[in-house]
Amino acid sequence: AQSVTQLGSHVSVSEGALVLLRCNYSSSVPPYLFWYVQYPNQGLQLLLKYTTGATLVKGINGFEAEFKKSETSFHLTKPSAHMSDAAEYFCAVIQTGANNLFFGTGTRLTVIP
Amino acid sequence: ETGVTQTPRHLVMGMTNKKSLKCEQHLGHNAMYWYKQSAKKPLELMFVYSLEERVENNSVPSRFSPECPNSSHLFLHLHTLQPEDSALYLCASSQESGIRGNTIYFGEGSWLTVV
Repeated sequence: AQSVTQLGSHVSVSEGALVLLRCNYSSSVPPYLFWYVQYPNQGLQLLLKYTTGATLVKGINGFEAEFKKSETSFHLTKPSAHMSDAAEYFCAVIQTGANNLFFGTGTRLTVIP
Repeated sequence: ETGVTQTPRHLVMGMTNKKSLKCEQHLGHNAMYWYKQSAKKPLELMFVYSLEERVENNSVPSRFSPECPNSSHLFLHLHTLQPEDSALYLCASSQESGIRGNTIYFGEGSWLTVV
């Protein structure tokens, strides 16, 4: 079975500071990994995804994530937080079978002016 | 605008009511999904349709009844719901189902409150 753990349900950073949102996965087969963002009162928007190839993946809005197989991690980072980054972020791993994305419980990011 | 449109955005219904959520995708995708998002819980996959055929049903109570008349439209019919069914219901679509790495695109969700 596959699963995703997001450490920290709430993360607060100052505007301009580094953003680091943690995601660890469990998978018996090479995973496909995703980060989605959900702004208030909106659906989920894909930030980035790792399938194969380069382990450092760049996404929208200046975010990137690195797939580290040895650490079973796919942490999301952004060098400098912006107020508009305040949202909930979900890490997800593909589940074998019918294309089911298995989601973590989410991390709410607060950006302090 | 993600190409996946859900209506209504907000719905309040009594436990004896019958209502439906509608989803339409404008992306030319062949697979559509219903997810449930409850507070402090991971998103839960409810149903998956591929080319209008249901391919996955994650043990969802029968008070939720999906319908996929064509590859662009997906409905979730609701009847005799319980207060614990109050949640955000997200529709999504992808090019195909069953293909790993296939990106899933979400609608903005329908907020359901059962009173």
